[in-house]
Amino acid sequence: DVKVTQSSRYLVKRTGEKVFLECVQDMDHENMFWYRQDPGLGLRLIYFSYDVKMKEKGDIPEGYSVSREKKERFSLILESASTNQTSMYLCASSSTQGARGYTFGSGTRLTVV
Amino acid sequence: QKEVEQDPGPLSVPEGAIVSLNCTYSNSAFQYFMWYRQYSRKGPELLMYTYSSGNKEDGRFTAQVDKSSKYISLFIRDSQPSDSATYLCAMSAKFAGGGADGLTFGKGTHLIIQP
Repeated sequence: DVKVTQSSRYLVKRTGEKVFLECVQDMDHENMFWYRQDPGLGLRLIYFSYDVKMKEKGDIPEGYSVSREKKERFSLILESASTNQTSMYLCASSSTQGARGYTFGSGTRLTVV
Repeated sequence: QKEVEQDPGPLSVPEGAIVSLNCTYSNSAFQYFMWYRQYSRKGPELLMYTYSSGNKEDGRFTAQVDKSSKYISLFIRDSQPSDSATYLCAMSAKFAGGGADGLTFGKGTHLIIQP
């Protein structure tokens, strides 16, 4: 079964900490995405990548950065965590050829205190 | 006007009822339409996928697309408590790749099936 794996289900971090969220996919997908999901706001795209070492800003990139050194791994970095970054973070991947939508990970629930 | 509109609910129905979930959209270029199901504290999973107009059936689920009205629906027959989840519609103009070709999501409808 194909998978998108997010390294942590729950994280609690302190304000000002640097936070790394890791995502790995085993489907050889070209595209990878980071979303955050908040009640009433739906899914909001933070960053996406369509190739190794390539990245594009989504709708809400402020306060975040990303890294894609290998095709299967896409990392989201919170440079200095703030309480307004408390959220559910979802990683997804897709194939440019497959036209089968996105495959999502199980999510990381991040709480910044 | 938002690109995709979806009633957030909650929508509560008794077990066994037929459920109708809907989305409207404004971008006439959309031609790939998807429904995702998301259980509490989990990531969304692809439930149904359709291309252009028409119906697609998979077990108790039927996806319907009316491009002339810019309206898509998901019907659930013989609804079960295990169907209780948030259902998100998603659509795109091209393959579901990245960038401008990426998916546009609705905010999701929270569905509750009462035993």
